[in-house]
Amino acid sequence: QVQLVQSGAEVKKPGSSVKVSCKASGGTFSSYAISWVRQAPGQGLEWMGRIIPILGIANYAQKFQGRVTITADKSTSTAYMELSSLRSEDTAVYYCAFSVCGDCYPGYWGQGTLVTVSS
Amino acid sequence: EIVLTQSPATLSLSPGERATLSCRASQSVSSYLAWYQQKPGQAPRLLIYDASNRATGIPARFSGSGSGTDFTLTISSLEPEDFAVYYCQQRSNWPLSWTFGQGTKVEIK
Repeated sequence: QVQLVQSGAEVKKPGSSVKVSCKASGGTFSSYAISWVRQAPGQGLEWMGRIIPILGIANYAQKFQGRVTITADKSTSTAYMELSSLRSEDTAVYYCAFSVCGDCYPGYWGQGTLVTVSS
Repeated sequence: EIVLTQSPATLSLSPGERATLSCRASQSVSSYLAWYQQKPGQAPRLLIYDASNRATGIPARFSGSGSGTDFTLTISSLEPEDFAVYYCQQRSNWPLSWTFGQGTKVEIK
């Protein structure tokens, strides 16, 4: 059973950056993928991008290109999502989600990390 | 970008009733469509993948159908724990992209 544990809530100023971590445990999949999905208060789900740690290749949603960086540390099974040039509209819960393969859907989700952007 | 449109926005039903949720894609997604359930304060939960396959541990009352641009999630007989928001999601491989529908809320009538 895969478990994902995310880092804690953050409060950031507009224009700054935030880096959220997601540590995976309990699985022995080699070609898994970690995706990042966010949800603004009272809104729907929005995909930001994903990485396959064994390949080290990340793909990003067009909307976030140039502003988001997704990385992974295979040695610790931890993925990271860094979002820069924060604005108030980036206030959301950020989820990491685990897929057992690159073409698979995410069957495991982290608990979510609330990022609040406020001056 | 492929747009997914879910209908209705809200479905008001009683326990034991049948729920039928729709998801329409702006262009064909073949069978690359999933359904998720989300309850307040919780992460989404994968219910159905590749249009019609139940994820591990999902009860048989949940079923998915469709291909191309029109998809349906059916809950055959609503249990109290099924009242939640449901999202459809498609995945495109070239370029890699996921999009979600805006959600359908299934509420107790």
